[in-house]
Amino acid sequence: EPEVTQTPSHQVTQMGQEVILRCVPISNHLYFYWYRQILGQKVEFLVSFYNNEISEKSEIFDDQFSVERPDGSNFTLKIRSTKLEDSAMYFCASRADRGPNYGYTFGSGTRLTVV
Amino acid sequence: QKEVEQDPGPLSVPEGAIVSLNCTYSNSAFQYFMWYRQYSRKGPELLMYTYSSGNKEDGRFTAQVDKSSKYISLFIRDSQPSDSATYLCAMSASGTGGFKTIFGAGTRLFVKA
Repeated sequence: EPEVTQTPSHQVTQMGQEVILRCVPISNHLYFYWYRQILGQKVEFLVSFYNNEISEKSEIFDDQFSVERPDGSNFTLKIRSTKLEDSAMYFCASRADRGPNYGYTFGSGTRLTVV
Repeated sequence: QKEVEQDPGPLSVPEGAIVSLNCTYSNSAFQYFMWYRQYSRKGPELLMYTYSSGNKEDGRFTAQVDKSSKYISLFIRDSQPSDSATYLCAMSASGTGGFKTIFGAGTRLFVKA
């Protein structure tokens, strides 16, 4: 069964450093998402991406965050200057098309720890 | 009022029990309703999706949506220890770019052998 692949599985970084989280969505999917989940809390929407541009973003997704699809397969989330409160699981997800009949396929996540 | 409300539990049941999980929501624009299962330190996995009101059954799982009450449910019949996980309700509205999905906080379920 096709999978969404995320790397690394765990990233430890110092406060103020830049991090790039990587995702390989399912190959024929068109919509891509980043969500985050702070330990013990709910899954929160960050950003959706379609046709090489952001289609929607949340209040969390401020100027410190950016997304990119640098080639036909990778989808990245960059945090420019990490803060302690950015520590969370970050999930990438993709879906096949705009129609409502498909939920997301999530990756296994990257655990980001900012120290 | 939160957009999606879900009792975090934990909910503990014996093996074989019928489990009922519920969410309420406030945004009447939501039309697509989903249930995800999440094991510890893993990504959510789609279990069921339903459009608008009604019931949907898949094996031991039944999803119900009552849009008039803004209330959705997931029933698990003949629950198994392998069903122990966190169950997330999720919903989205049409017309939103890319069908942004809003998640409930998740209910932790423990099924005891």
